Amino acid sequence: IVMTQSPLSLPVIPGESASISCRSSQSLLHGNGKNFVQWYLQKPGQSPQLLIYLGSNRAAGVPDRFSGSGSGTDFTLKISRVEADDVGLYYCMQALETPRTFGPGTKLEIK
Amino acid sequence: QVQVVQSGAEVKKPGSSVKVSCKASGGPFSTNTINWIRQAPGQGLEWMGRIIPVLGSTNYSPEFRGSVTFTADESTDTAYMEMNSLRNEDTAVYYCAINPDYVDSSGSYMEYWGQGTLVIVSS
Repeated sequence: IVMTQSPLSLPVIPGESASISCRSSQSLLHGNGKNFVQWYLQKPGQSPQLLIYLGSNRAAGVPDRFSGSGSGTDFTLKISRVEADDVGLYYCMQALETPRTFGPGTKLEIK
Repeated sequence: QVQVVQSGAEVKKPGSSVKVSCKASGGPFSTNTINWIRQAPGQGLEWMGRIIPVLGSTNYSPEFRGSVTFTADESTDTAYMEMNSLRNEDTAVYYCAINPDYVDSSGSYMEYWGQGTLVIVSS
């Protein structure tokens, strides 16, 4: 399954919102009715961290400024009220089939 | 809360092997799904495969099948990734990432990540 993301670069003014799009080459809708897509953030110099799983579920400790939506092949990560600490690379990943596959990453930077 | 600690950086010659360890603590080890992810310098994330100790099963990405072996030692709560016939292009940071569940239908997400192990392949 091929994952694509847009944009690849995202300059944002602090306090504004940002959206990242992720598309899959086939539907990520599982037979249980849930979308098997995840979002990860890799801050500079750090390991990736889980933000969103099953399309829209926030991982433990993730601020509610982060939200995931979408179904089938089109997904969106929205970040409200962007902060300086949100900079880094955002990856979507499909977990429906093996091999798992990541999108190319979207680099969020502060304007 | 699961803590994940990986072994330290390695420098290897082309053609040699490397074995990276991943120790998990703070939860039941055998029911974890332990994923391995590679990140080449300046590049994105690449899923290499996974091991599920309680099922005794492994899955390998086609790109790594035959050159990588995943094992797990339940007596020490440690997983291992061994890569053979190293090439310069295998220079990367290798992460283990844990899903504290072994059932795919629960979402198969990677909730806990190690700090990464840098492997440098150079003559």
